[in-house]
Amino acid sequence: KAGVTQTPRYLIKTRGQQVTLSCSPISGHRSVSWYQQTPGQGLQFLFEYFSETQRNKGNFPGRFSGRQFSNSRSEMNVSTLELGDSALYLCASSSGLAFSTDTQYFGPGTRLTVL
Amino acid sequence: AQTVTQSQPEMSVQEAETVTLSCTYDTSESNYYLFWYKQPPSRQMILVIRQEAYKQQNATENRFSVNFQKAAKSFSLKISDSQLGDTAMYFCAFALIQGAQKLVFGQGTRLTINP
Repeated sequence: KAGVTQTPRYLIKTRGQQVTLSCSPISGHRSVSWYQQTPGQGLQFLFEYFSETQRNKGNFPGRFSGRQFSNSRSEMNVSTLELGDSALYLCASSSGLAFSTDTQYFGPGTRLTVL
Repeated sequence: AQTVTQSQPEMSVQEAETVTLSCTYDTSESNYYLFWYKQPPSRQMILVIRQEAYKQQNATENRFSVNFQKAAKSFSLKISDSQLGDTAMYFCAFALIQGAQKLVFGQGTRLTINP
């Protein structure tokens, strides 16, 4: 079974630009969660999508948004990039159903650098 | 809100030794899950072990075991017969049973296994 894939793996953008990151979950998984990892703030939850609906959202400004397609692939978008948005963005997929039988599998991440 | 604290930023042991990583958490909920994730230099986040709060028996996975003290809100990870491949960042994480796939992570412990 193929794992979680994220594209692109590396991105360099300048302040003010916008960026879109993509995550393809494990086949059959309907839940995709996004996390931001920085040296200062650690790992922080951005949002989670299940069956094309945002089910939960973390404490991030509205510049961070996401969506999920009918094939469960998810994208996250960051508009008006700031230097502080430089981070490793991780996505995780799971069945999204009964949590006791569920495990989140993480992708390799997208390293975003904002100059 | 739930918080997770890992008080040991870095640890270092010799190969084949046993090492214990500490984690405490704070929650007013009674039903939740706890996890240890490993993030090697490749940055791929890997689930090491999970514990359901309603289970009194401590979880074990081969060389990895936990000491779950619910009243003390403590969840430590013991690695027996440590191997060079165990070198990684280790993150303790918390999630509520009900709700979305939202993991709350600690700040991590950088573990180095020396030959």
